[in-house]
Amino acid sequence: DTGVSQNPRHKITKRGQNVTFRCDPISEHNRLYWYRQTLGQGPEFLTYFQNEAQLEKSRLLSDRFSAERPKGSFSTLEIQRTEQGDSAMYLCASSRRDSNTEAFFGQGTRLTVV
Amino acid sequence: QKEVEQNSGPLSVPEGAIASLNCTYSDRGSQSFFWYRQYSGKSPELIMSIYSNGDKEDGRFTAQLNKASQYVSLLIRDSQPSDSATYLCAVNQGGKLIFGQGTELSVKP
Repeated sequence: DTGVSQNPRHKITKRGQNVTFRCDPISEHNRLYWYRQTLGQGPEFLTYFQNEAQLEKSRLLSDRFSAERPKGSFSTLEIQRTEQGDSAMYLCASSRRDSNTEAFFGQGTRLTVV
Repeated sequence: QKEVEQNSGPLSVPEGAIASLNCTYSDRGSQSFFWYRQYSGKSPELIMSIYSNGDKEDGRFTAQLNKASQYVSLLIRDSQPSDSATYLCAVNQGGKLIFGQGTELSVKP
C-alpha cells in the first residue's frame, strides 16, 4: 500500500493524559499536513511541513499540541494534557511541492477523551 | 466571513438527476481549488482539482471555476445512490488547503 498511513486508527484516553499519533506520507511527497475534523465540520488546518521544516502552525492551536517531522519522512502529532474538547478525527495528508498542493489523506485517527 | 463557504445541505436529488454543489472563497490570490468526497466515518478522497477559469470534466463530474466571482462548483451528472456523501470544497491558501464545512448530498433511488 503506497497511500498515507496513520496510526493508531482509534485512541481512547482519559482526560489529562498525553497522546501521540503517527503519520507516514506517500514516499515521494515532501509536504505533510495535519488537520482536525469534528462532526459536521470540514477539516480544520493544524500545521504543515515541507520536508523536516514546520512551515506554519495554526494560530488557533493550543500550545498543548506539538508536531514533528524529524527526518522529513514520518510525522508525529502529540497532544499533552488532553481535554474532552480534543475529541475529534485527526487527519494527515501529504502532497508534492510542485503539484499545486493536490493532497491525499490517510485514514485518520479518531481520538476520544473520556 | 468564512474563508471558504458551502451550503451545509442536505441536498437531496433523485437518482439520475444532476447534483450541483457550490462554494465561495474569500482570498482573491487563491490559485488552486479542489473537491473532496467524504463518506460517513471515512477520510476525504480527492475527486477533482481545477486551476483555471472555466470547466473541467472527469467522467460524471464537472468542476467549474470563476475567479472573478470567487466561485467554484461541482456538477455530478447521472447521480447514483453511491454518490451520497459529504462533498468538501478546498482552496489553496499560502501552500495549505482551507476547507469549507462540506455539503451533504443524498441521492434517492
